[in-house]
Amino acid sequence: NAGVMQNPRHLVRRRGQEARLRCSPMKGHSHVYWYRQLPEEGLKFMVYLQKENIIDESGMPKERFSAEFPKEGPSILRIQQVVRGDSAAYFCASSSLTGSSYNEQFFGPGTRLTVL
Amino acid sequence: QQQVKQSPQSLIVQKGGISIINCAYENTAFDYFPWYQQFPGKGPALLIAIRPDVSEKKEGRFTISFNKSAKQFSLHIMDSQPGDSATYFCAAETGANNLFFGTGTRLTVIP
Repeated sequence: NAGVMQNPRHLVRRRGQEARLRCSPMKGHSHVYWYRQLPEEGLKFMVYLQKENIIDESGMPKERFSAEFPKEGPSILRIQQVVRGDSAAYFCASSSLTGSSYNEQFFGPGTRLTVL
Repeated sequence: QQQVKQSPQSLIVQKGGISIINCAYENTAFDYFPWYQQFPGKGPALLIAIRPDVSEKKEGRFTISFNKSAKQFSLHIMDSQPGDSATYFCAAETGANNLFFGTGTRLTVIP
C-alpha cells in the first residue's frame, strides 16, 4: 500500500514563475491537507480539501496561492508569481476520517521549493 | 501567534538516557495531541498520540504525559538510542482537522 506521494521532490523556480506541487493521497483517503515548513520551523497549516471541495483555507495566503483536489487525479498546490519568501518545504498529508479526534494524518515526503 | 509552544529547541542525550520534550497550549478546544518524528529530508511520521481524558500513554520506549489543568504535555523517550536522533514535533487538533504544530526539538543521541 503506497503512502502519500508528492512530486516533484525538489523544484527550482525563478522569481515570477509559477510552481505546481502535486500530492496523491494514500489509497482510500479522500481528505488532503497542505502544510508549509520554513527552515528550522514547525509545519504551518495551509489548506484542507476533500474531493472537489475546499473545506478550510484559513492558512492560505490571500494572494498567489491556490489549491484544488479534483474528482480524478492528484491534489495540486499552485503558487503564482513566486517570490524568494516562498522557498520552503511543502508537505501534503492525507486521512480517511473526519469529525474524529483520532484523525491520523499521514504525511508525504514533501516538495522542497527553492526560488532563485 | 504560536498556538503550541515547544521546548527545548535542541536536546543532546547520552545513549541509554531519557529524552524529555515539553509542549504547552492555550486553546482548551484542542482534543487530540499527537507527536511526530521527522528525519532529515523526510516527512513527519506519527509516533504516538493522546486524548485529554487520559494522563499518560505508553508505547514501547515512548510515553506521553498529559496535564490537562496545566495545559501541558510531554514526550519521554526512555533508553534513548542513536537511531532516535531526529526532530520531534508536538501538535494539537480541535477536531476541525488541521493540526497546529510546535516549533520542533532537534534530538541528538550520542553513543
